[in-house]
Amino acid sequence: NAGVTQTPKFRVLKTGQSMTLLCAQDMNHEYMYWYRQDPGMGLRLIHYSVGEGTTAKGEVPDGYNVSRLKKQNFLLGLESAAPSQTSVYFCASSFFAPSGSRYEQYFGPGTRLTVT
Amino acid sequence: KNQVEQSPQSLIILEGKNCTLQCNYTVSPFSNLRWYKQDTGRGPVSLTIMTFSENTKSNGRYTATLDADTKQSSLHITASQLSDSASYICVVALLETSYDKVIFGPGTSLSVIP
Repeated sequence: NAGVTQTPKFRVLKTGQSMTLLCAQDMNHEYMYWYRQDPGMGLRLIHYSVGEGTTAKGEVPDGYNVSRLKKQNFLLGLESAAPSQTSVYFCASSFFAPSGSRYEQYFGPGTRLTVT
Repeated sequence: KNQVEQSPQSLIILEGKNCTLQCNYTVSPFSNLRWYKQDTGRGPVSLTIMTFSENTKSNGRYTATLDADTKQSSLHITASQLSDSASYICVVALLETSYDKVIFGPGTSLSVIP
């Protein structure tokens, strides 16, 4: 089991360029998430998906789009990168989490993105 | 506002010593509290998860406590090792949401030195 994998590990973009980050999980999880982590702050949710073909906005969705065409994959797109999107991006996945359950999220290794 | 605070922001201890990290939260409605370890350049990895009715949870040399009345949690590390150097993140999950909605603390950076 590879768990959650992310591609690429590092990327440098110029302002205005676009790119797609790929997340893949082999645990048959229904839920998938994209977070960003910035210095001194907790991880913040960008978008999430509760199943194949579904996506929803999180706390900081502006400037990002997502797609979940297959259950195991969750893509994060930046259409026109800005310096404010310089961050470390983490993908996570989990089973369905009914209220009060113990289901937890499993995280990928992260993608370090720099926008100049 | 749902918020998770952690203290101290950073900590340096000698190998073999014990330490305690603190987490205060104002998250409602509360579902469970989790502690994650994040090594430099890696994703967070779960250490413990506690629901409302659990006061203590151990995972090897890591022991987490939860006081749901005062909305405080602590993570105690016993006999620290160099490999314990990492960021420790307190995460609180909300009840009754359509997905696993969680609030992350900023983390405590722990350095264990020889």
